[in-house]
Amino acid sequence: KAGVTQTPRYLIKTRGQQVTLSCSPISGHRSVSWYQQTPGQGLQFLFEYFSETQRNKGNFPGRFSGRQFSNSRSEMNVSTLELGDSALYLCASSLSTGIFDEQYFGPGTRLTVT
Amino acid sequence: AQSVTQPDIHITVSEGASLELRCNYSYGATPYLFWYVQSPGQGLQLLLKYFSGDTLVQGIKGFEAEFKRSQSSFNLRKPSVHWSDAAEYFCAVGARQTGANNLFFGTGTRLTVIP
Repeated sequence: KAGVTQTPRYLIKTRGQQVTLSCSPISGHRSVSWYQQTPGQGLQFLFEYFSETQRNKGNFPGRFSGRQFSNSRSEMNVSTLELGDSALYLCASSLSTGIFDEQYFGPGTRLTVT
Repeated sequence: AQSVTQPDIHITVSEGASLELRCNYSYGATPYLFWYVQSPGQGLQLLLKYFSGDTLVQGIKGFEAEFKRSQSSFNLRKPSVHWSDAAEYFCAVGARQTGANNLFFGTGTRLTVIP
C-alpha cells in the first residue's frame, strides 16, 4: 500500500505570494491533518479534514487554509507569505479518528520564503 | 493552557545501554499522550499513545512509556538502545475541545547512539 505523498517536496516563494501544497493520503484513509515544523516554534498542528470538512483547527491565522476533496486528497494554502512561514509542512492521514489516532506522515514539503 | 516540556534537548547513549526520555505536560483534564519519532529516512512515526487504562504503555520498536498523573509525566523508556534508534523524539499532548481538538508537541529530544 502506498504511503502518504506530498507535492511538491521543495518550494521557494517570495514574501507576499501565495502557495498551495498537496497531500494524497493512504488509500482508505479519510482523515488528513497538516502540521508546520520550524526550528523556532517546533511542531504545530494546523488543521484536520475529514469527509471534505474541517474537523479541527490549531492556532494559526486565517492566511492558512485548506480543503479536502471527495477522494480524500487535501490541499493547504498559505496566502500573503511571510518570512516566518518558511517551514517543513507535514501532512498525515488516518483512517477516521484523526489526530488522536495512529497517523501516517508524509515526507513533507519544505517551503522557503525569501 | 496545554503545554509539553521535554527538558533534554540532546541525549547521548551507548549502544546496548538503557534509555529514558523525559516528558512533562500541563493539561487540565485526563490527557491523551503520545510519543513520536522523527528520523531522516523514516519521517515522523507514532511510537505509542496513552488514552486511559494501564499506565504502562507498550509501543513499537521495543519502546514503552509510563503515565504518572501525580508527576504530570509520560517518560519514554527502552531497555537496550540500538544504533537505529538515533533520531529525534517528540512527546505530545492531545487537547480535546469540540471542533477544536489540538495536538501540542514538545520541542523534541535528539538521541545520539554511540557504537
